[in-house]
Amino acid sequence: GENVEQHPSTLSVQEGDSAVIKCTYSDSASNYFPWYKQELGKRPQLIIDIRSNVGEKKDQRIAVTLNKTAKHFSLHITETQPEDSAVYFCAASIRGNNRLAFGKGNQVVVIP
Amino acid sequence: DAGVTQSPTHLIKTRGQHVTLRCSPISGHKSVSWYQQVLGQGPQFIFQYYEKEERGRGNFPDRFSARQFPNYSSELNVNALLLGDSALYLCASSWGLAGGNEQYFGPGTRLTVT
Repeated sequence: GENVEQHPSTLSVQEGDSAVIKCTYSDSASNYFPWYKQELGKRPQLIIDIRSNVGEKKDQRIAVTLNKTAKHFSLHITETQPEDSAVYFCAASIRGNNRLAFGKGNQVVVIP
Repeated sequence: DAGVTQSPTHLIKTRGQHVTLRCSPISGHKSVSWYQQVLGQGPQFIFQYYEKEERGRGNFPDRFSARQFPNYSSELNVNALLLGDSALYLCASSWGLAGGNEQYFGPGTRLTVT
């Protein structure tokens, strides 16, 4: 089945700096790659996603890049703010469907 | 404009008991998926339903079962509870099944098995 690896597990950044989280996946049939933000005790919230027919997508301070050949995708957060502190999960669709395989999560801490 | 709702919010059960968790999808969404999130881990896929039919099942034992009703709401049932079943159970809804259909999560049900 699909296997999604996420690195690093914890990331601390100074407010205003950039944060980058990288993920790899194993199933070449995966065609949808969402990113979720989960604050403590709350539900995962979709923050950005990318489909396999594009290589990059940007939404304000958040961007995602996809390299299908290498089977990896990354989340970039620029000008980080304290409210960006949360756990971020990458995910990949399973066998072309929209059900998802998740990475283990990345704790991002933005230091004021 | 209601999002995905789940009930109950929290639940405490003892080993060997049975539990039923409920989910109502976003209006207009026909697919419901269930995920288990153990503390400190990412969600793990359990089931997916679309138009009342099971369309996918993750690597979970037969103690786990689910169904979807004509109004697209869904139930997840777990029999013979084990301590390891303690987790946050998340329901996600989407309009369809094709890759690229965004999944929106409910607040989850926190299950504690003692």
